[in-house]
Amino acid sequence: AQRVTQPEKLLSVFKGAPVELKCNYSYSGSPELFWYVQYSRQRLQLLLRHISRESIKGFTADLNKGETSFHLKKPFAQEEDSAMYYCALVETSGSRLTFGEGTQLTVNP
Amino acid sequence: DGGITQSPKYLFRKEGQNVTLSCEQNLNHDAMYWYRQDPGQGLRLIYYSQIVNDFQKGDIAEGYSVSREKKESFPLTVTSAQKNPTAFYLCASTNPGTGSGYGYTFGSGTRLTVV
Repeated sequence: AQRVTQPEKLLSVFKGAPVELKCNYSYSGSPELFWYVQYSRQRLQLLLRHISRESIKGFTADLNKGETSFHLKKPFAQEEDSAMYYCALVETSGSRLTFGEGTQLTVNP
Repeated sequence: DGGITQSPKYLFRKEGQNVTLSCEQNLNHDAMYWYRQDPGQGLRLIYYSQIVNDFQKGDIAEGYSVSREKKESFPLTVTSAQKNPTAFYLCASTNPGTGSGYGYTFGSGTRLTVV
């Protein structure tokens, strides 16, 4: 069965510092991976997806199939990045998303 | 303005009662999903439906029921059999035919509290 693990429930950094939110997955096939973000009092929304290899709000994530990881990175964190971040996986043969436990990121001034 | 509407935003239920959470979308999405969000546990899939008149159990379906009589609507009933129903419930939709790479669209959620 597919599984997504985010080992850090809480992550706190200072403004301007680099940030990395970890995500590991287990899936026997070739997965599609996503990062979702939930800002305070807002809806959960898609941040980025690995297939498009994009950078959104300065965040990037690279799929490492050897390490089965999809860590989210940003070189210089901003206070507005404070939010709950979820890593998610969808099996290529279907559409159901499996989410990790989430990481609450706090960027301090 | 397309999107997903969940109602009510807050819901209180007495023990032993069934309650139904509404989810409506006007995005013309084929697939709809119900997730439960608990602190430290992420989002767990309750039920999902990929086409009208068809739905499948997710990982935590016990104590819940759904229907999908219309493409735009996917109501969730929390029955009295659900042992720990107090939670935040999220509805989502997507169009698998266009590629799951487009991601899901989420509603704003319903917070259910059992009193």
